[in-house]
Amino acid sequence: EAAVTQSPRSKVAVTGGKVTLSCHQTNNHDYMYWYRQDTGHGLRLIHYSYVADSTEKGDIPDGYKASRPSQENFSLILELASLSQTAVYFCASSEPGTVPYTEVFFGKGTRLTVV
Amino acid sequence: GQQVQQSPASLVLQEGENAELQCNFSTSLNSMQWFYQRPGGSLVSLFYNPSGTKQSGRLTSTTVIKERRSSLHISSSQTTDSGTYLCAMVSNTGYQNFYFGKGTSLTVIP
Repeated sequence: EAAVTQSPRSKVAVTGGKVTLSCHQTNNHDYMYWYRQDTGHGLRLIHYSYVADSTEKGDIPDGYKASRPSQENFSLILELASLSQTAVYFCASSEPGTVPYTEVFFGKGTRLTVV
Repeated sequence: GQQVQQSPASLVLQEGENAELQCNFSTSLNSMQWFYQRPGGSLVSLFYNPSGTKQSGRLTSTTVIKERRSSLHISSSQTTDSGTYLCAMVSNTGYQNFYFGKGTSLTVIP
């Protein structure tokens, strides 16, 4: 069974502070993703990565940075946390198989509250 | 951008009733997946179903690629089925990215 581990599971941050959310996968997957979930918006893609040392912007990248130092690790960085970034954040990994054989595995989420 | 529409947005059932959840896509897809999420909980994969019909217990997923739609049928609902059901598609327009619908909130009352 594929495994994606997020840390911390919850965090309270101060407005203007720096926040780093970490994600570790043991699936040997090439692709990793960061999503945020807000009530009424479903999951929205923030950043993603197809290979170590490379990241791409998703649909809502403003206010976020990402880092992929190795195949296993993918971090989401909020340099200046704002109230609007209060949400639940999910990390995911997948393997780009031959179409249509693609499946995504999610971590348990990080609940971030910015005060 | 990619559009994934889920319907209904919410659904209330009496225990024992059946439910049909729909997912429609605006563009061609490579594959799709159904997830279940409890309030405040993580996402649990229910079905990876790029095409055709798959069944697992009381759950049946049917994807018709040509019609750009997928459905999730829940038979003989139970109170433990309550939660949010999300579908996600993988677009075939370039990189492998997943696009989610806003979900269907299901409440099963005893």
